[in-house]
Amino acid sequence: AQSVTQLGSHVSVSEGALVLLRCNYSSSVPPYLFWYVQYPNQGLQLLLKYTSAATLVKGINGFEAEFKKSETSFHLTKPSAHMSDAAEYFCAVSDPGNQFYFGTGTSLTVIP
Amino acid sequence: EAGVTQFPSHSVIEKGQTVTLRCDPISGHDNLYWYRRVMGKEIKFLLHFVKESKQDESGMPNNRFLAERTGGTYSTLKVQPAELEDSGVYFCASSQGGLAKNIQYFGAGTRLSVL
Repeated sequence: AQSVTQLGSHVSVSEGALVLLRCNYSSSVPPYLFWYVQYPNQGLQLLLKYTSAATLVKGINGFEAEFKKSETSFHLTKPSAHMSDAAEYFCAVSDPGNQFYFGTGTSLTVIP
Repeated sequence: EAGVTQFPSHSVIEKGQTVTLRCDPISGHDNLYWYRRVMGKEIKFLLHFVKESKQDESGMPNNRFLAERTGGTYSTLKVQPAELEDSGVYFCASSQGGLAKNIQYFGAGTRLSVL
């Protein structure tokens, strides 16, 4: 069975600082991995996805994530935080049947 | 192109009442999914439609929950009778078929509060 662990339910960073949101997964098969973002009163928006191609995946809004099989991790990073990045971020893994398994989410606060 | 829309955005009901949530997927998307997030917990899968057929309903909590997708278009999720533990945010998502099915597009969710 698949599962996702997001370390840190709340993360605060200063504007301009590095953003690092952690995600570890367990999967019995090569996974598809995703990061979604939810801004207030909006739906979940796909940031980026890993589907067994390049291990470093670039997404929208300057975010990227690196798939590390040896560490079963898929951490999300952004070199410089912007105020507009404040939102809730969800890591997810899907199984071959396309069922998604989400983490508990990380709320990102950006401090001016 | 319209995204996935859900109605209502927020519903407050009393224990024992019935509530029906609606999801309109992106036009042309055969796959439709329902998820639920209980406060502070992860978003959990409820069920998956392919067109009008239930492909996987392994995540449905119990028989108080009934999902339908008439004609393979919009879907409804009915909770009858509602219990306190049903409170949470219900998300709907849709995806295309084939190789594109693993990219799911989500609605804004319906926040259900059972008092």
